[in-house]
Amino acid sequence: DVKVTQSSRYLVKRTGEKVFLECVQDMDHENMFWYRQDPGLGLRLIYFSYDVKMKEKGDIPEGYSVSREKKERFSLILESASTNQTSMYLCASSLTDATRGGYTFGSGTRLTVV
Amino acid sequence: AQRVTQPEKLLSVFKGAPVELKCNYSYSGSPELFWYVQYSRQRLQLLLRHISRESIKGFTADLNKGETSFHLKKPFAQEEDSAMYYCALTTQGAQKLVFGQGTRLTINP
Repeated sequence: DVKVTQSSRYLVKRTGEKVFLECVQDMDHENMFWYRQDPGLGLRLIYFSYDVKMKEKGDIPEGYSVSREKKERFSLILESASTNQTSMYLCASSLTDATRGGYTFGSGTRLTVV
Repeated sequence: AQRVTQPEKLLSVFKGAPVELKCNYSYSGSPELFWYVQYSRQRLQLLLRHISRESIKGFTADLNKGETSFHLKKPFAQEEDSAMYYCALTTQGAQKLVFGQGTRLTINP
């Protein structure tokens, strides 16, 4: 029944490492999103993609990049991980029109950068 | 710009008491509003949307355009309602949701 799958539940990486967070959805959704979830700050949009190879910056894109080579897969890349990127990362997907059903979220990846 | 405000970061009530989680929005048109919930160690999931006019797990939410609010209510809280709640807004044809900062609800026994 799982519809949005994030490849790792927990990750521990070292400062300066290149980190890949993977997300796959099986609902044929056009849109995919990456959020950070931090206590007191809510959900902050990092990037979103509305089609294959198409992307748009969110509210906090600095230090991140994304890749969407296939419709079902959306990757978040931390080019050089830093300790302030320690957080819970949530992937989500939706139809083109977000009013139709809202978002479906993955279970999250808790990333710790040491 | 569209904005969603959840004025309470933390809310604590006793089991059996009424619960109201506040959500206010800023948007001049006709919004689509949602409540999402995240229970401990579970994924964020849709609780209800105003267009459905439904009650889920005893929760209801009414869109009040005059007060630009979409408060979430439950007459009798249960311990299993303890969770993080997010209010979200979108508009017809929009691709993204705008989320509030969330309210952590704790139900005390």
